[in-house]
Amino acid sequence: GAGVSQSPRYKVAKRGQDVALRCDPISGHVSLFWYQQALGQGPEFLTYFQNEAQLDKSGLPSDRFFAERPEGSVSTLKIQRTQQEDSAVYLCASSLVPPGGPREQYFGPGTRLTVT
Amino acid sequence: AQKVTQAQTEISVVEKEDVTLDCVYETRDTTYYLFWYKQPPSGELVFLIRRNSFDEQNEISGRYSWNFQKSTSSFNFTITASQVVDSAVYFCALSEGEDSSYKLIFGSGTRLLVRP
Repeated sequence: GAGVSQSPRYKVAKRGQDVALRCDPISGHVSLFWYQQALGQGPEFLTYFQNEAQLDKSGLPSDRFFAERPEGSVSTLKIQRTQQEDSAVYLCASSLVPPGGPREQYFGPGTRLTVT
Repeated sequence: AQKVTQAQTEISVVEKEDVTLDCVYETRDTTYYLFWYKQPPSGELVFLIRRNSFDEQNEISGRYSWNFQKSTSSFNFTITASQVVDSAVYFCALSEGEDSSYKLIFGSGTRLLVRP
């Protein structure tokens, strides 16, 4: 079956532009996560959805970052007024609802954002 | 505070050597979950294993084995008879039981290079 897909795969934005990154999770996966991965580092949590509800946004670095999942499937991560420090790979992951602890998260290929 | 440390930044071995990747974690929760992910050059994170804090049995899957020791807060990963295809960045991650989002906290990764 299809895995997690993300688009675009690469995005170049000029400083100050707004960007929107899309994630299509695995069908039936209720949980959806966004992570940010800087070069040479491990992924860092940004936000978590269960269906359409954003239950944890503690990792969003500033109010320029906004995520939504209005119908409980596709999610969009929006970054307003991009800054150079926003340059990173943005990873989306989905998983089943965890009874008895977290299930494995399935990751998409990521969107590499470069802010010039 | 929760933390995952992978002290080995990069390891280089010759094919067929055994190699162990170290992972040390910190958490105040008594219930937690540990993961290993592989990130090949293509960039997509691939799930390898999930363990919960109540199960200290070591696990073997083909050439892969994991050694979980609560006494030293370590969850080390060994590849036996390494192959060139094992070349990748490997991440250890922690998910805390008291965190309802079950987000993953990643280490900084260990880059493994297996030379022919």
